[in-house]
Amino acid sequence: AQTVTQSQPEMSVQEAETVTLSCTYDTSENNYYLFWYKQPPSRQMILVIRQEAYKQQNATENRFSVNFQKAAKSFSLKISDSQLGDTAMYFCAFMARHQAGTALIFGKGTTLSVSS
Amino acid sequence: DAGITQSPRHKVTETGTPVTLRCHQTENHRYMYWYRQDPGHGLRLIHYSYGVKDTDKGEVSDGYSVSRSKTEDFLLTLESATSSQTSVYFCAISEPGLAGDKYEQYFGPGTRLTVT
Repeated sequence: AQTVTQSQPEMSVQEAETVTLSCTYDTSENNYYLFWYKQPPSRQMILVIRQEAYKQQNATENRFSVNFQKAAKSFSLKISDSQLGDTAMYFCAFMARHQAGTALIFGKGTTLSVSS
Repeated sequence: DAGITQSPRHKVTETGTPVTLRCHQTENHRYMYWYRQDPGHGLRLIHYSYGVKDTDKGEVSDGYSVSRSKTEDFLLTLESATSSQTSVYFCAISEPGLAGDKYEQYFGPGTRLTVT
């Protein structure tokens, strides 16, 4: 069974600074996908970024980037130039490719607070 | 934004009563999911569907049933609600195999259910 661990329940950062959220996972699969979702106070789940395990290049989406270390089973999210609107809970999630269409396995989340 | 709606958005009900939550999508995606979100647990899969009348259980399916008679609608039923089913329920959709090999799931706005 796959597991996803987010070891930082809460983090805080000042506007314009950079913050990194940690995620580790455990799996025996070789082909899989990793995701970061953002859940602001509105409760909506918003996809931030995705990474395919077969791609060595780290994914980037504007101010969001990941550091994907497949051997270490680590998938951290870096937020650059933090903005007040980045305040949210962030979830790391895993999906085995052969199980696409079944389930996302989520971590328990990290609450990020951005202050001015 | 993916066209996903959930109804009702909030509901308070008494222990032992039946409850049905509805998820409606306008994207014509094959896969639909029901998750529950509880503090300290992230999101966990209840049931999912891979087509009309095709459903399967997830990690926390006990006490829940689902039905899908049309592509666009996925219903979650609590036959006899219990206090342990107080939670926020999210519907999600996906279409594995879309061009670009994208397997991400898109979420509805959530339903907050309180069982007293």
